[in-house]
Amino acid sequence: KAGVTQTPRYLIKTRGQQVTLSCSPISGHRSVSWYQQTPGQGLQFLFEYFSETQRNKGNFPGRFSGRQFSNSRSEMNVSTLELGDSALYLCASSPMGQETQYFGPGTRLLVL
Amino acid sequence: DQQVKQNSPSLSVQEGRISILNCDYTNSMFDYFLWYKKYPAEGPTFLISISSIKDKNEDGRFTVFLNKSAKHLSLHIVPSQPGDSAVYFCAARVWGSARQLTFGSGTQLTVLP
Repeated sequence: KAGVTQTPRYLIKTRGQQVTLSCSPISGHRSVSWYQQTPGQGLQFLFEYFSETQRNKGNFPGRFSGRQFSNSRSEMNVSTLELGDSALYLCASSPMGQETQYFGPGTRLLVL
Repeated sequence: DQQVKQNSPSLSVQEGRISILNCDYTNSMFDYFLWYKKYPAEGPTFLISISSIKDKNEDGRFTVFLNKSAKHLSLHIVPSQPGDSAVYFCAARVWGSARQLTFGSGTQLTVLP
């Protein structure tokens, strides 16, 4: 099976812009979670989607949002970008009935 | 408030010897624990997990031990190989929180040939 794929892999934006990142889970996986990794804060949970519904949300401002489509693909959006949003954004998917999350390679976002 | 702590930022081990990576946690509601390894420019790769109802889980060269009374878990890699050199993260999940994982800060393992 193909793994979790994320696009784009790298992105450069300027402050105030918005960005949309995409994640395609492993085939058959219906749960998709998003994480942010920064040198200062480490890996932090953003949100989880299952069957197009957000099940859980981490402690991030409302500028961070996401959605999931009927084919389980997910997108996350960050509006009004700030310098501190520069990070590696990781997506993970899980099969039904399992706790293990399988991560994609991430999208590295640089905000200038 | 760091609920999952990996106090050793780095660890060096000779090839063939045992690597022991440690993780401490503070939240008594954690009921599931996982270890991931991460290479630069890649996403974390799942290694092994353990439920809070167990105290040991083994998978090939990897064994995870859980000491609930001490709120401590450890990952043993035997024998260590140069390809094991990576950053290792422990992660934990609160009961009922679906798949929201809390990660430690990671330990850089270097296996010397």
